[in-house]
Amino acid sequence: AQSVTQPDIHITVSEGASLELRCNYSYGATPYLFWYVQSPGQGLQLLLKYFSGDTLVQGIKGFEAEFKRSQSSFNLRKPSVHWSDAAEYFCAVFFFGNEKLTFGTGTRLTIIP
Amino acid sequence: EAQVTQNPRYLITVTGKKLTVTCSQNMNHEYMSWYRQDPGLGLRQIYYSMNVEVTDKGDVPEGYKVSRKEKRNFPLILESPSPNQTSLYFCASTQDRNYGYTFGSGTRLTVV
Repeated sequence: AQSVTQPDIHITVSEGASLELRCNYSYGATPYLFWYVQSPGQGLQLLLKYFSGDTLVQGIKGFEAEFKRSQSSFNLRKPSVHWSDAAEYFCAVFFFGNEKLTFGTGTRLTIIP
Repeated sequence: EAQVTQNPRYLITVTGKKLTVTCSQNMNHEYMSWYRQDPGLGLRQIYYSMNVEVTDKGDVPEGYKVSRKEKRNFPLILESPSPNQTSLYFCASTQDRNYGYTFGSGTRLTVV
């Protein structure tokens, strides 16, 4: 079955430290892949996306993500986090054959001084 | 400004009282979709639309209706709301599947 997994429910990182948020999917082909961020009380904002080409994609706010076909993963990274990065992050996958963008359950990011 | 507008932002209603949450986009997008967000479950798709008069069920359509009579509008209708429909609802639109959806600011619905 097609699915999206974000194994980390909550991550705490010190300001200035690096960050990696994990996302795995289950699918027989390469889907379209997205990362969204949701700040408290806000809607979702698209950080970056991948659908073909270079497997390392750059997004807004200094984020990047790497698609690894062999691992069915699309992990989000940032070299140095800022307090304003505290938010919930969602990985989303568009599986072909149905018109549905499927979301993971999200990872809540806390930044400590 | 390009945006998806949902109304109302907050709504408290009683069980069984019909309600409509409106959604409008000004980007001439083909695709529109409704999601509900619940703690620990992420976002789940309720209904989507690929164009005017073309709608289909998502993962959790029970208890909801939609219509797409105009390209810009995609209202979500709860004919007889129940407490298990208490949730945060998002409308979203996109021109194409590989572009990523643009989301509205959300509607927090409480059914008592």
